[in-house]
Amino acid sequence: DAGVTQSPTHLIKTRGQQVTLRCSPKSGHDTVSWYQQALGQGPQFIFQYYEEEERQRGNFPDRFSGHQFPNYSSELNVNALLLGDSALYLCASSLGGLSSGANVLTFGAGSRLTVL
Amino acid sequence: AQKITQTQPGMFVQEKEAVTLDCTYDTSDPSYGLFWYKQPSSGEMIFLIYQGSYDQQNATEGRYSLNFQKARKSANLVISASQLGDSAMYFCAMREGRPGRRALTFGSGTRLQVQP
Repeated sequence: DAGVTQSPTHLIKTRGQQVTLRCSPKSGHDTVSWYQQALGQGPQFIFQYYEEEERQRGNFPDRFSGHQFPNYSSELNVNALLLGDSALYLCASSLGGLSSGANVLTFGAGSRLTVL
Repeated sequence: AQKITQTQPGMFVQEKEAVTLDCTYDTSDPSYGLFWYKQPSSGEMIFLIYQGSYDQQNATEGRYSLNFQKARKSANLVISASQLGDSAMYFCAMREGRPGRRALTFGSGTRLQVQP
């Protein structure tokens, strides 16, 4: 059973460019969340998608946008890249709607973005 | 104020010994969940253990146990019989509110190094 898969694993962009990161959730999961992890820090919540809509958003500017497709896969887009956008971008999936228990997030290995 | 505080940037432990990784949290919500994740150098966040705020007993999962002290707002991870493969970053995280589609807030992590 495949877990969360992300692509690309590594990429290098220059300031001002745009980037698209992709995520396929774990089989059976319907909710996808994106996190940004800067070097030496813990992950920070960017936003969450389910039923093809953005449902929650962290403290990130509008340059960060996303999409969820009917098959539950998701994309993260970042426009007008800044040096500070260099980070590991983690996708996490879960089966939403549970009213009890852990509702554990399953993470992918991430896409490491370097902005020069 | 920090919602999740991990005060140990790095820890060393001898193989086969036990180690405790500290985590304190801050929330006014009576319903919350606490998670520990392991992040090896590969980048993927691996779920270890979960404790709900209303759980009466401390959570255990194999060699992992969570020392939950609600009044002190601490949720320390105890790893028994450390193994070389336990060397990694460890993150404490919190979900505020009832289970469901909620974001996690992560601490800054503790790097554990297991020595032979």
